[in-house]
Amino acid sequence: ETGVTQTPRHLVMGMTNKKSLKCEQHLGHNAMYWYKQSAKKPLELMFVYSLEERVENNSVPSRFSPECPNSSHLFLHLHTLQPEDSALYLCASSQEPSPSSNEQFFGPGTRLTVL
Amino acid sequence: AQTVTQSQPEMSVQEAETVTLSCTYDTSENNYYLFWYKQPPSRQMILVIRQEAYKQQNATENRFSVNFQKAAKSFSLKISDSQLGDTAMYFCAFIFNAGNMLTFGGGTRLMVKP
Repeated sequence: ETGVTQTPRHLVMGMTNKKSLKCEQHLGHNAMYWYKQSAKKPLELMFVYSLEERVENNSVPSRFSPECPNSSHLFLHLHTLQPEDSALYLCASSQEPSPSSNEQFFGPGTRLTVL
Repeated sequence: AQTVTQSQPEMSVQEAETVTLSCTYDTSENNYYLFWYKQPPSRQMILVIRQEAYKQQNATENRFSVNFQKAAKSFSLKISDSQLGDTAMYFCAFIFNAGNMLTFGGGTRLMVKP
């Protein structure tokens, strides 16, 4: 596998379910990100991890809980979500500090639908 | 706080023609990077082109080029000889030098017509 992978690609869950999204990067990067992409809204940064430490939590509700066990893996644990949380969740990675331009590499996303 | 604005929600262009996508941004920073990302339908977001703010020369990548006007805080993307595979959402994005938080615009949906 190359680049940034995400599983599952599609997820449908009820408001009382607990599920997790997984992201894996094969680029040797040391920073990973979760973004939320909703229809008709700009991409919203949710969480940033650098060297496995959370460095940014962009006012995200506690029903979203990130986990970064190592520099290659990032999880987003979901519980008691709301229908408005339905969106495409994108994972990205980058190398920090960057020798050039802080380019982030994105995964294909998980399409989440909350019923 | 930084903001990135893409004023064209949707655009279309005939195959082989040229199209320009607009992006403006607002920041008080002097050192930063600007990007255009492409997100094809149901496919991964990929970087199209990047521009370092300290460079006056506009970046070019094959058929893609930018018009970077730092004083005007404008960063437009020109696609020459448009191809059907250029059909996608295009996002303009901004990041500080030595930062790790990308700020995205709302996107422009480009349709290339045969």
